[in-house]
Amino acid sequence: LAKTTQPISMDSYEGQEVNITCSHNNIATNDYITWYQQFPSQGPRFIIQGYKTKVTNEVASLFIPADRKSSTLSLPRVSLSDTAVYYCLVGDRYNQGGKLIFGQGTELSVKP
Amino acid sequence: NAGVTQTPKFRVLKTGQSMTLLCAQDMNHEYMYWYRQDPGMGLRLIHYSVGEGTTAKGEVPDGYNVSRLKKQNFLLGLESAAPSQTSVYFCASSYSLPWDEQFFGPGTRLTVL
Repeated sequence: LAKTTQPISMDSYEGQEVNITCSHNNIATNDYITWYQQFPSQGPRFIIQGYKTKVTNEVASLFIPADRKSSTLSLPRVSLSDTAVYYCLVGDRYNQGGKLIFGQGTELSVKP
Repeated sequence: NAGVTQTPKFRVLKTGQSMTLLCAQDMNHEYMYWYRQDPGMGLRLIHYSVGEGTTAKGEVPDGYNVSRLKKQNFLLGLESAAPSQTSVYFCASSYSLPWDEQFFGPGTRLTVL
């Protein structure tokens, strides 16, 4: 399984754009990149998933460069309610026995 | 549509006691999972199931057993609880593959004294 590295914590202010970068230098050809969000005292929630280039949904954008050795989760105009831990996961999207490995994640703190 | 529910929400056990955590999903998902989360750490997979009647080991299966007798339910058992099993337990389900979107329950906070 490709190991991921992401910052332990980040601070931001309301209204700013937040970019969280994840390194996955040994990503395999079949691996996809997935991000989950976890609020305190809740289970994680799926945010976005991608393979290459750019993916956008109503919550976030995911930027993946051509070499796929890193990816960036972009949260536009954050609010206080975006304060959470964000996990970057990498693995074979179509592996029936694939296991999600959650690291420590990035703790994002949004201030007024 | 309740999604994924877990019972109970909180529980305190004494060392050596046993208990069963119940997870239920109403989304007709094939895959179900049990994770544990310790303070300051990410989630670790205990056991999972790829369909009714099947179970498989995850990263940290020792001390736990599971059963999936019905598609919508996934039970996690602790036969003889130990203080090292103090944790928050999350159940999750996904439609067909682990890397499909996983839907998580609200968690069960377990303390073993």
